[in-house]
Amino acid sequence: DQQVKQNSPSLSVQEGRISILNCDYTNSMFDYFLWYKKYPAEGPTFLISISSIKDKNEDGRFTVFLNKSAKHLSLHIVPSQPGDSAVYFCAAKVVAGTYKYIFGTGTRLKVLA
Amino acid sequence: KAGVTQTPRYLIKTRGQQVTLSCSPISGHRSVSWYQQTPGQGLQFLFEYFSETQRNKGNFPGRFSGRQFSNSRSEMNVSTLELGDSALYLCASSLGTGTGTDTQYFGPGTRLTVL
Repeated sequence: DQQVKQNSPSLSVQEGRISILNCDYTNSMFDYFLWYKKYPAEGPTFLISISSIKDKNEDGRFTVFLNKSAKHLSLHIVPSQPGDSAVYFCAAKVVAGTYKYIFGTGTRLKVLA
Repeated sequence: KAGVTQTPRYLIKTRGQQVTLSCSPISGHRSVSWYQQTPGQGLQFLFEYFSETQRNKGNFPGRFSGRQFSNSRSEMNVSTLELGDSALYLCASSLGTGTGTDTQYFGPGTRLTVL
């Protein structure tokens, strides 16, 4: 039962344009969502998070949008840079009690110079 | 502050053997979680330790076990290795408070290959 889904395994975007990575979830109990970026041969690096009581959080070039009614979140990267080429994972957690994160399967982003 | 470290970085074993992986968390972090990453499967949660106690467990067979020491360092053991255990094993540390802003930080992983 995949509670967090990233339906696009890959995405290619031109340098300078917007990258939009999508994530859907099924568990309405999730109350915190996170995005991680992973380069080959490295562990995932935390990028940005959002609480379920918000619909947007911004940090520099990265913005995460949350649509609770649709159980959907997205990560926008503007402008995209070649160094953003990596695998992006979304993750969700229930703050109270479970202490575990549920990760999606990842989307490989390639930013073309 | 030093990040999460994992040893060894690469490991090759044969079927039926057992393996122990080690993780040292960020200083001050008391929670250590372990994940298995395989192509197309994302990060699958194995277990989480806090103050030497397993607080949460994923859906993996009993061949996968772990422990945490008083200095918060953690080890993961896999016994009777199978070919399907070949994967990148990641550990992540956090304060372990369970609050929304308590974020997990990952180590570089141990690449295990089972022949």
